[in-house]
Amino acid sequence: ILNVEQSPQSLHVQEGDSTNFTCSFPSSNFYALHWYRWETAKSPEALFVMTLNGDEKKKGRISATLNTKEGYSYLYIKGSQPEDSATYLCASPKAAGNKLTFGGGTRVLVKP
Amino acid sequence: EAQVTQNPRYLITVTGKKLTVTCSQNMNHEYMSWYRQDPGLGLRQIYYSMNVEVTDKGDVPEGYKVSRKEKRNFPLILESPSPNQTSLYFCASSLSTSIGVTEAFFGQGTRLTVV
Repeated sequence: ILNVEQSPQSLHVQEGDSTNFTCSFPSSNFYALHWYRWETAKSPEALFVMTLNGDEKKKGRISATLNTKEGYSYLYIKGSQPEDSATYLCASPKAAGNKLTFGGGTRVLVKP
Repeated sequence: EAQVTQNPRYLITVTGKKLTVTCSQNMNHEYMSWYRQDPGLGLRQIYYSMNVEVTDKGDVPEGYKVSRKEKRNFPLILESPSPNQTSLYFCASSLSTSIGVTEAFFGQGTRLTVV
C-alpha cells in the first residue's frame, strides 16, 4: 500500500444495523492513524487518533481498531442511527514531518 | 473557543484576478495546511506549514502560494485563478509532535468558483 485507501466508497445501512469499513495505510514507518467524521455542509471533525498496534478507541456507538503490522484500521458503528450519516475519513502522516494524507472516505447513509 | 477561521466562506471570481483566502487559528498550533475537496477525489493537500517561515508543497500545489509569517495565520494565495481551481477549500491546524500531528481542526471551508 503506497497511499491511504478506504473501502467501500459508500454504503447504505438500515437504521439499527451495525456496520464497519476499512482504512488501509502503509505499514512501514507508521506514526499515527486518524479518523474523522464529515457531515454534509460541515467541516471534518476528529473522532480518533490511534498510535499503538492493537489499539482500540470508542466514542459512543462508534469504535475503531488498529493493526499497524498489516496496515489497516476498522471503524465500527453499532446500532446505526440516521445522524450517523456522514463521510468517514481516515488519514495518516507520511512521515514525522507531519504531511497528513487522507483516504478517499467512506460515505455512510443510514436509512430510517 | 478553540477554532480555525477561514474567510471568505463563498467567493465567485473571474479568471486571472488575484485572490487570497485567509486562515487563522487561536490554538497556538505549529502545523497548518490547506486542502481542496473535489467530487470523487477526497481531500487533497495543497500546501502545509510546520511552523513560522516553514512551508512545503502538498500533493497539488500548482497555481497556489502560501506564506506563514505569523504562527496563527496561513493565507492561501491564487495569483492567477483558473476555472480548474473551482473547488471547496479547507484550512486545518494541528499540534506537531514526535509521532506526527495530533488531530486536525478544520475551518468552515471556502467555496470558490472561478468563471
